[in-house]
Amino acid sequence: SYELTQPPSVSVSPGQTANITCSGDNLEDRYTCWYQQKPGQSPVLVIYQDTKRPSGIPGRFSGSNSGNTATLTIGGTQAMDEAIYYCQAWDTSAARVFGGGTKLTVL
Amino acid sequence: QVQVQESGPGLVKPSETLSLICTVSGVSITTYYWNWIRQAPGRGLEWIGYTSYSGSTNYNPSLKSRVTMSLDTSQNQFSLKLTSVTAADTAVYYCARDQGVLGGFEYWGQGSLVTVAS
Repeated sequence: SYELTQPPSVSVSPGQTANITCSGDNLEDRYTCWYQQKPGQSPVLVIYQDTKRPSGIPGRFSGSNSGNTATLTIGGTQAMDEAIYYCQAWDTSAARVFGGGTKLTVL
Repeated sequence: QVQVQESGPGLVKPSETLSLICTVSGVSITTYYWNWIRQAPGRGLEWIGYTSYSGSTNYNPSLKSRVTMSLDTSQNQFSLKLTSVTAADTAVYYCARDQGVLGGFEYWGQGSLVTVAS
């Protein structure tokens, strides 16, 4: 089955840019989504189709997908962005697959 | 405004069947894909499967032998049954809608904690 790999943790200073990666075989051939999950809350979709933002998601969130790696970029990171971020894609049988999650710490 | 809400028992005994219902409002379940996702305590998200607008299903291969999902169009609900549960099935269970490969899980329920214990 298809697998997505994320780093367990990423740290960033307030106001700086955070990059969270997601790796999978030929990931660029599949659309990737990203979710933000804060403690005790349901996940929230922040990026879909690699680069698109749902309504209501701040412009500081952006995405890219090239080769084997998709990247979620948070520009001008704020304390409120501290959360666990999950990537998600589809395998060839249309099964949905999640990465293991990356804890973003803003310090 | 689309809303989805899980309901069902919070405690299930080992070897029994876990049953949950997701009630949808704001859109007909005869459109899109209706998913179940779970999250064990302190762990990541695990996709369980979906039932589509047409009633077709697709399950996570690791759970396929124990999972059944279905639609109830008269109630605008969809359901999950997971058989022969063990403590490893203890998790928060979410229902969520997606639009297939062109979208992500846009709408999530608040989650329903199911504990497997005797």
